[in-house]
Parts: sequence; C-alpha cells; structure tokens
Amino acid sequence: GNSVTQMEGPVTLSEEAFLTINCTYTATGYPSLFWYVQYPGEGLQLLLKATKADDKGSNKGFEATYRKETTSFHLEKGSVQVSDSAVYFCALSGTPGGYNKLIFGAGTRLAVHP
Amino acid sequence: GAVVSQHPSWVICKSGTSVKIECRSLDFQATTMFWYRQFPKQSLMLMATSNEGSKATYEQGVEKDKFLINHASLTLSTLTVTSAHPEDSSFYICSAMGSGRPYEQYFGPGTRLTVT
Repeated sequence: GNSVTQMEGPVTLSEEAFLTINCTYTATGYPSLFWYVQYPGEGLQLLLKATKADDKGSNKGFEATYRKETTSFHLEKGSVQVSDSAVYFCALSGTPGGYNKLIFGAGTRLAVHP
Repeated sequence: GAVVSQHPSWVICKSGTSVKIECRSLDFQATTMFWYRQFPKQSLMLMATSNEGSKATYEQGVEKDKFLINHASLTLSTLTVTSAHPEDSSFYICSAMGSGRPYEQYFGPGTRLTVT
C-alpha cells in the first residue's frame, strides 16, 4: 500500500542553519506530494505542494522537489529562524482509493535555537 | 481565510459514555470533511471522509457504529464516539475542503479525548 517515511526527529538547529528533512514515499500511480506544518497549539497548515514529477514547491523560504526517480520529496530551507520551530509532516494523495485522501508521514519536530 | 474550528479542544469522559466533537468551517463551504486520529508521536490516520448530505465513507478497520459521523451542512461535521473506552483516548483532527481549491485541506486544531 501507499506510505510515507520521513526522518525521525527531533531536529535541533541553530538560527540561520540549513535545514533538510527527508521524505520518501511508496505509491502506485502518480501521487501529489505535500508538506504540512503544525505550529504549537494550532492545526496543520499546508506549507507547499507538488503535483507532478520535477515540480518544485516553495513557500516562506522552504522548498521541496518531487523526485520520481528516487521517490523523494525532501524539505529544505537555507536559513531557519526560531519561528520555524514546529512539527513538519510529509504527505501524499491521489492514488489509490481517492484523489483527495492524504497519507501522512510520522512527522518531524524541528526546534530552532537563537 | 479558510479557518476550521473544532469544539471542544479537549474533553475527559467516563468509560461507556458518548462524546460528540464538532468541526466547523468558519469562512467557506466545506463540501468534504475528513476525520483523522493521531496517537502520541505518531502520524495522522484517516478515519473517514464525509460529503455534505451523504453517508460517511469509513477507512478499513474503523468501526462506523462506534464513530458516528454526520455532515448535515456545508459548514458543520460532527464525530460522535459512542460507548467510549480508554483505548479510544486520542487526538482527533478534522479537515475541510471546499469545491474551489482542489488538493487543499484546511485543518482544525484538534480535540484531545481522554476516556477514564
């Protein structure tokens, strides 16, 4: 079945450090890929998405590229801020069983220190 | 825009009682709502999908008679946990999707249920 695997956290970084959170997936067909972020005490928010191979999603300085050959969608940011501290979820949808049903990874907690 | 609320944010109930959780889309019409369950330090697991005015579609392994879902209007869906037991204790999260923006689900803040 479809699944998403992301690196275990917590990830602890100093402000202005480079961030990579790895995400790989297993899916049949051509899923859409997402990164969601959950700030403390809030609901999940869509951070970025990519709907086909080689697409790059970007938002708020974060980027992720849909790599079909490596079945990956790694999240990167060149310079993190304390305000980026949150839990990040990688997810896929679109195949099979429902176009809009999301399958999530376990989440990776990011802590950024001044 | 695209705000989804849940009520209550946390609830404690006794074993054998029923608990209702509300999910509301505050500024858009939600044609589809989803209910998820999240265990500590684990991923969100989809429980069911509901479309306004239709019966919910449950994921495999989710007891529809235990987790009653009603999506009676375009802004409200409810999840009722019937005859709750301690193993039902979890974090329940809803999301809502409007017809105008495919792919995007807007998530509520979640409800923490503790069954004693």
